[in-house]
Formats: sequence, C-alpha cells, structure tokens
Amino acid sequence: GAVVSQHPSRVICKSGTSVKIECRSLDFQATTMFWYRQFPKQSLMLMATSNEGSKATYEQGVEKDKFLINHASLTLSTLTVTSAHPEDSSFYICSARSRGEQFFGPGTRLTVL
Amino acid sequence: DAKTTQPPSMDCAEGRAANLPCNHSTISGNEYVYWYRQIHSQGPQYIIHGLKNNETNEMASLIITEDRKSSTLILPHATLRDTAVYYCIVNEDTGNQFYFGTGTSLTVIP
Repeated sequence: GAVVSQHPSRVICKSGTSVKIECRSLDFQATTMFWYRQFPKQSLMLMATSNEGSKATYEQGVEKDKFLINHASLTLSTLTVTSAHPEDSSFYICSARSRGEQFFGPGTRLTVL
Repeated sequence: DAKTTQPPSMDCAEGRAANLPCNHSTISGNEYVYWYRQIHSQGPQYIIHGLKNNETNEMASLIITEDRKSSTLILPHATLRDTAVYYCIVNEDTGNQFYFGTGTSLTVIP
C-alpha cells in the first residue's frame, strides 16, 4: 500500500516554543491530508483537513491560530504547534488518501515540558 | 461524530477466530464500513472495507448484515501480533475525514 511518513517521530520541547511536524506521502500525490490527535488511552480525534493550495478546515474546538497547517505541495503537509504547553503533549497522526484508501502515518509523539 | 458503537474490549485465544462486532444503525445508503486497527503507539492500519456484500482479503473477512445496521470483522486465525485496538468507521468515501469511535481493544492470549 501507499506510504505516509512523519517527521520527527518524537519530539520534546520546552513550554512556549513552537514545534513543526511534517507529513509526507512518499509514493503518491495527496491533495487532501488529515491531522489527528490522540491522548493516552483515547481514540483518534480529527483536528483538521489539510487541502493543497488552500486553507485548512478545522474541526470545532480546534484553535486554528495555535495549530497552523500548511499544505504547500501535493506530497507535504505540515502542522505547527505554536506556543506549546504541557496540555498539548499528545500523539499526532496524519493521513492521506490514495486510490480510494486512506493511509496513516506512523505518528509523532510530542512531549511539552 | 462517530456513528459506530463497539465493545470496549475482547479476548481471543491464539489460533482461534476473532469476531469483532460493530453497530452502525444510522448508516446511510452510500456509506461504507471501514475497519482499521492500531497497534500501540503506531498509526492506524487499514484492514478491509465494504458497502453491502461480505468482503474477504488476506487479513480478514467483513460480514455486513442485510439491513447494514451492523457488521462483524473476522480474523480467522488470530495471532499474538493481532493484539491491537480495532476501529469500525462508516464513511461515504475515504476522501472524507474519518471520525473514530472508541474502538475495541483485542487481546490475543497465548
């Protein structure tokens, strides 16, 4: 199946700093990617839909100014957590669609100290 | 919001069939049933999907009731590596965003 990668796989940062997470479709082009967040022992929660060349669509309750999404090319979407705080510590997962299937990245573990 | 309900946990003996149920009583006519699984600290992995008919692939079988209000994922010969959280999702098309429910945590016991 199609491959989606994320970088970094884990990151630790200080409170107040910004962190950028990359999501890449390695062997296909994706006009739409999705970003999810998952807290321990909970399910995946959709944060936003990332559209190539246009603004992202955020789910209700997700702060668009805090979670900046850029989808500048057909193979790359980035999620920037701005002014991160300990409550932003979570597992962030992206996904992309290819040929009728949705493929998920391996996730990025963010820890904010 | 998730449109599915699943039991929170199940156990299955290694080598036996694992049958994971899912209720989706409000499914609409053009919505598919998708199954994904998530092994600890990894991204979800696609298993199978179907619309009306039963489906089978190298990983599993999907049985959808005639009224489409429920389905069952069958892992024919569970192994220890099948221990994971299994999510049932209904969606018109994979191009649309997925809303995950709570899933079923399957533990395969030696």
